[in-house]
Amino acid sequence: GESVGLHLPTLSVQEGDNSIINCAYSNSASDYFIWYKQESGKGPQFIIDIRSNMDKRQGQRVTVLLNKTVKHLSLQIAATQPGDSAVYFCAENNQGGKLIFGQGTELSVKP
Amino acid sequence: DAGVTQSPTHLIKTRGQHVTLRCSPISGHKSVSWYQQVLGQGPQFIFQYYEKEERGRGNFPDRFSARQFPNYSSELNVNALLLGDSALYLCASSLSMGPGELFFGEGSRLTVL
Repeated sequence: GESVGLHLPTLSVQEGDNSIINCAYSNSASDYFIWYKQESGKGPQFIIDIRSNMDKRQGQRVTVLLNKTVKHLSLQIAATQPGDSAVYFCAENNQGGKLIFGQGTELSVKP
Repeated sequence: DAGVTQSPTHLIKTRGQHVTLRCSPISGHKSVSWYQQVLGQGPQFIFQYYEKEERGRGNFPDRFSARQFPNYSSELNVNALLLGDSALYLCASSLSMGPGELFFGEGSRLTVL
């Protein structure tokens, strides 16, 4: 079956440190991946996406890495800030509006 | 510009009742998708509508139904509510059907007692 999973349910980092959130996916045919951030009581917010013809994409303070050989995604957040505290989801999208989400990783930033 | 808007934001129902949730997509977006998010889990796909037609359906019982109107807004209906239907129901819109960024609303929090 299809699934996208996250390795760690919680991650605690010190303010200013870099954060790395990992994600595994099982569908080798997937060609598009998205990272979302979800704060308590809110809907998921787009962070960054990557297509399968790329292995790295950078945004503002965030980088997504894609390793298709081992079906692994990671989200790197540079200089983590308290406002980055949230649950982060990776999601696979290869059928239009159908996103397959992982369990999520809760990121906690200590001041 | 307004984002995806959903109503109501919170509601409480009892078992056996039905509920209608509403969603207005971002202006110009023709695709609307619905997701169910149970506490502590990632969202699960329920439906996608594009140009008023159902384009995809997740693994949900027939008690769940939806439709899209000519103005691209959408309704999600759930009949014969069960306790397990308690969740955050998220609506997302996108420009087209194909893979791409989905913009989510803040959700409708349904509690079934």
